[in-house]
Amino acid sequence: EVQLVQSGAEVKKPGESLRISCQASGYNFPNDRITWVRQMPGKGLEWMGRIDPSDSYTNYNPSFQGHVTISAEQSINTAYLQWSSLKASDTAMYYCARQSRREALDFWGQGTLVIVSS
Amino acid sequence: DIQMTQSPSSLSASVGDRVTITCRASENIANFLNWYQQSPGKAPKLLIYSASSLQSGVPSRFSGSGSGAEFTLTIASLQPEDIAIYYCQQSYSLPRNFGQGTKLQIK
Repeated sequence: EVQLVQSGAEVKKPGESLRISCQASGYNFPNDRITWVRQMPGKGLEWMGRIDPSDSYTNYNPSFQGHVTISAEQSINTAYLQWSSLKASDTAMYYCARQSRREALDFWGQGTLVIVSS
Repeated sequence: DIQMTQSPSSLSASVGDRVTITCRASENIANFLNWYQQSPGKAPKLLIYSASSLQSGVPSRFSGSGSGAEFTLTIASLQPEDIAIYYCQQSYSLPRNFGQGTKLQIK
C-alpha cells in the first residue's frame, strides 16, 4: 500500500529555519516525482514544486523559487521542504503528493501544519 | 503560466441531484486535466485524471469530460459524503496550477 507520512506540526518564529519531511513507502521511491502543495488558511491549493528522487532534479513554481528548497534522500525514501528564514505569511498546511505516471497527484500525505508567529 | 478558472465558486444541491462543475484553462491543455476532492479537514484525493479517467476506488457517479480548454466534472447523483471542495489542476506545463476550487454543499 502506497503511503506518504509527513512530519508533525511546527510552531516557529519569523526568521527561523525549518525542514519538514515526507516519508514514502509501498512503492519504489526513485520511480515517481514528489510534489509539494501549499494551502493557506481558508484558501485553495498552490503547486509549489516537485523533485525527481532518482536524480534530485527539481522544478519550482516561480512564486516560491528562492524562498523554499525541495530535496530528497533516496536511502530513507524521504522528501523534504525547507525554509532558511520563515515569514508569518508561510503559515499554512503543506502537503506532499506522489506524481503518477499520468501526471496526476495520486497519493497524498496527511499534511504538515506550519505556524509562524512572533 | 496557465491559469485555471472554475465555476461556480460554490453551489448547493440536494441529495440525488446531478451536479456539474466547470473548469476553464487559459490556453489549450489537450486532456492534461485532473480533478481532486478535498473533504473538510482532509488531504485532497484524486478523482479523475487525464480529463476523463476514473481513479481506482472512486465511485462511478463521478465522471469527467472535455478537452482543449474546457472541462467538466459531473456527479451523477449527489450523496451526503460528496460535501467537499473540488479542484481542477492542469498537468500540461509548469507550474501545475490548480483552479480556485468549488465548494459543494447540501441544500
